[in-house]
Amino acid sequence: DQQVKQNSPSLSVQEGRISILNCDYTNSMFDYFLWYKKYPAEGPTFLISISSIKDKNEDGRFTVFLNKSAKHLSLHIVPSQPGDSAVYFCAARTNAGKSTFGDGTTLTVKP
Amino acid sequence: DGGITQSPKYLFRKEGQNVTLSCEQNLNHDAMYWYRQDPGQGLRLIYYSQIVNDFQKGDIAEGYSVSREKKESFPLTVTSAQKNPTAFYLCASSRDRASYGYTFGSGTRLTVV
Repeated sequence: DQQVKQNSPSLSVQEGRISILNCDYTNSMFDYFLWYKKYPAEGPTFLISISSIKDKNEDGRFTVFLNKSAKHLSLHIVPSQPGDSAVYFCAARTNAGKSTFGDGTTLTVKP
Repeated sequence: DGGITQSPKYLFRKEGQNVTLSCEQNLNHDAMYWYRQDPGQGLRLIYYSQIVNDFQKGDIAEGYSVSREKKESFPLTVTSAQKNPTAFYLCASSRDRASYGYTFGSGTRLTVV
């Protein structure tokens, strides 16, 4: 049973437009939700997170939205840049510290 | 500069041999984690440790072993009992249980032939 799901394996957007990456989860005990960015043959890099008691967190071009009733979160990147092209992982943490990851969405930003 | 060092970056081993992957951090983080990534899949937790001399199994611990004798080090041994060891292995650390955002190493790609 996959507790964190990213249903879109890939997403392609034009430079300057908005990228929206989606994530669904099933476990109500998750207390933090996080997004990571990963380039091939490298480790993921932490991007942004949101507490389960919040519904929005913003950091520069990146905004994460959380809808607890729907068990859904999304990452918005505005404006998208070619350097944003990477695999984006959604993750959820319990208060024990473990993180469960989704399968990732490959974002391609076209110039 | 603080960070996590995984070595080697590429590792080749013959089937049936045990192999140990190194993970060292100088971030003074308490918690350390090992994940495995297979092509087209997410990261799956193998083992994690929240303090020295203590560690817990993750979701796919069978065929793996770890030790945490020092805060800075969390080596992973892939034993011959692991049926499909060829994968990309990632080590991560974080400050404490409540902290969010792992720091990852650059990974070790293990190929068993």
